[in-house]
Amino acid sequence: DTGVSQNPRHKITKRGQNVTFRCDPISEHNRLYWYRQTLGQGPEFLTYFQNEAQLEKSRLLSDRFSAERPKGSFSTLEIQRTEQGDSAMYLCASSPAGPRNLEQYFGPGTRLTVT
Amino acid sequence: AQSVSQHNHHVILSEAASLELGCNYSYGGTVNLFWYVQYPGQHLQLLLKYFSGDPLVKGIKGFEAEFIKSKFSFNLRKPSVQWSDTAEYFCAATSGTYKYIFGTGTRLKVLA
Repeated sequence: DTGVSQNPRHKITKRGQNVTFRCDPISEHNRLYWYRQTLGQGPEFLTYFQNEAQLEKSRLLSDRFSAERPKGSFSTLEIQRTEQGDSAMYLCASSPAGPRNLEQYFGPGTRLTVT
Repeated sequence: AQSVSQHNHHVILSEAASLELGCNYSYGGTVNLFWYVQYPGQHLQLLLKYFSGDPLVKGIKGFEAEFIKSKFSFNLRKPSVQWSDTAEYFCAATSGTYKYIFGTGTRLKVLA
């Protein structure tokens, strides 16, 4: 059973550096989502894709954040010029087409620490 | 603004006690509701969901939730908890979009 996978699982970076995270959804899931979770909070929506099209972006996704899903399969989330406030768990989820399209399956997350 | 509230941040129970975790949402119109669980060291897993129909929904591991439209609530229940239910529980909602809005979560600790 191959669930959603995310790499790396942990990333420590210095303020001002760029980082990129990768998400591989469950195969044949056409929607892919990115969320951010900070300590003591629930996940907060960042953006989602249907196939390769980015259909919705949160206001949380500042100009320093960019997400892509070039071939409608895996996705990358890049953060440029990282700030300490970017330290969080970044979660990826995917959902299938059809009647279960609202059921999101989450990956293990990438924990980012900005020093 | 759309929001989901979980008022119990930490709950401690003894094994065999009954569980009820509160979830309230503020949405107009049709709403879809979910409960997710995150066991220590694991990723979020879907426990149960409500889209329409019978307001009492049953999920995995003996959990159930009741949608009460008049109270804007979707409380999670389990008649008898086990030590293995120790986890963090998140309520989430969506309405007319694929974007989930999550509550802040409830940490449940079950004492053996």
